[in-house]
Amino acid sequence: AQSVTQPDIHITVSEGASLELRCNYSYGATPYLFWYVQSPGQGLQLLLKYFSGDTLVQGIKGFEAEFKRSQSSFNLRKPSVHWSDAAEYFCAVGYAGAGNMLTFGGGTRLMVKP
Amino acid sequence: EAGVAQSPRYKIIEKRQSVAFWCNPISGHATLYWYQQILGQGPKLLIQFQNNGVVDDSQLPKDRFSAERLKGVDSTLKIQPAKLEDSAVYLCASSLDGGYGVAFFGQGTRLTVV
Repeated sequence: AQSVTQPDIHITVSEGASLELRCNYSYGATPYLFWYVQSPGQGLQLLLKYFSGDTLVQGIKGFEAEFKRSQSSFNLRKPSVHWSDAAEYFCAVGYAGAGNMLTFGGGTRLMVKP
Repeated sequence: EAGVAQSPRYKIIEKRQSVAFWCNPISGHATLYWYQQILGQGPKLLIQFQNNGVVDDSQLPKDRFSAERLKGVDSTLKIQPAKLEDSAVYLCASSLDGGYGVAFFGQGTRLTVV
């Protein structure tokens, strides 16, 4: 069965600093990969997705992620964090034939210092 | 475009009581999902519908949980009887095409069982 690991439960960065959130997955076939963000009391909002093609994908709010097959990773990055980016971030994996059922990681809570 | 609607937003019940949650997906979305998100964890899929048929319910505790999607639109998730460990946020999501469509999430229903 596939699994998703987000090694960092909490991360604190200063506003304006760069950000990288780690995500590793375990699955035999080529996965579909997603990053979602969840603000307090809100549902999940899609930041970006990777299905195929260019391994560097751009998303909303200035986020990007890079799929590295050799490392089974799909890390999320942002060059300059804004205070409004404070939220919980979830990496998720799906695969063709599974009806887009997603397996989520445990999440990383991002805090932004002024 | 209206998003995924869920109600109620919050619910507090005593253990052994029953509770029901309602979800209205985005118009035209054939696939509907119910996820359970326990505090501090990532969402876990409970059940997936394609139109009004069940695609996967392997992680649904069928002794107490039930779900239906009559007419292939709205869906109801029921818990009877509730246990303390059912306290969680229940998220509904929908996608245009289960195979490749991105899942859009509602704001969720926060259930507290006391």
